Amino acid sequence: GAGVSQSPSNKVTEKGKDVELRCDPISGHTALYWYRQSLGQGLEFLIYFQGNSAPDKSGLPSDRFSAERTGGSVSTLTIQRTQQEDSAVYLCASSLRPDRGEAKNIQYFGAGTRLSVL
Amino acid sequence: KQEVTQIPAALSVPEGENLVLNCSFTDSAIYNLQWFRQDPGKGLTSLLLIQSSQREQTSGRLNASLDKSSGRSTLYIAASQPGDSATYLCAVRPSNAGGTSYGKLTFGQGTILTVHP
Repeated sequence: GAGVSQSPSNKVTEKGKDVELRCDPISGHTALYWYRQSLGQGLEFLIYFQGNSAPDKSGLPSDRFSAERTGGSVSTLTIQRTQQEDSAVYLCASSLRPDRGEAKNIQYFGAGTRLSVL
Repeated sequence: KQEVTQIPAALSVPEGENLVLNCSFTDSAIYNLQWFRQDPGKGLTSLLLIQSSQREQTSGRLNASLDKSSGRSTLYIAASQPGDSATYLCAVRPSNAGGTSYGKLTFGQGTILTVHP
């Protein structure tokens, strides 16, 4: 597609339920990133996928958070047993392979999924 | 741990003014620095990317500078317009000892810019 697509755009869930957030990166982009934007916390890195390499999961806040990327394209971020502090906007970005060339470093962001945990 | 700070947190200016947004970072081992804008309810749009070896980048009315050794970057907006109203975010990408970059960006908290007619 023309840009990074995320779904759903909004998600309201009850505390304790599991949620799945989806990201469709720009076609041909090998790198995919998940970030979280919370009030008062700014934007924080969650996880990074690059091709077939092991993902960098260093930003995941707890073991309730996991992500996968199937076929090197679509990614799903799963939050199990959601808590109220998980309420945030979850942003996905993609880029060409980031270690080759200036232009290929630019991350293109989706509009995000606004998650509200009641 | 890399920390990115943006000053001011908010800025309100009349249309036509030139303005400067500031970004500072604590670890100078960066691969590049990016400036983004974010409009309410929307994702981030990349404005300018400066590689660690570069001093500045320009795009239209925007000019971004980088002083890696002092850990500072500035975004200069000339002749501001109401359409420039948005949150501006600065983000750095780290480099490892080998000079290649890790994927993740560390963001500042942003500067909320309002340009009034």
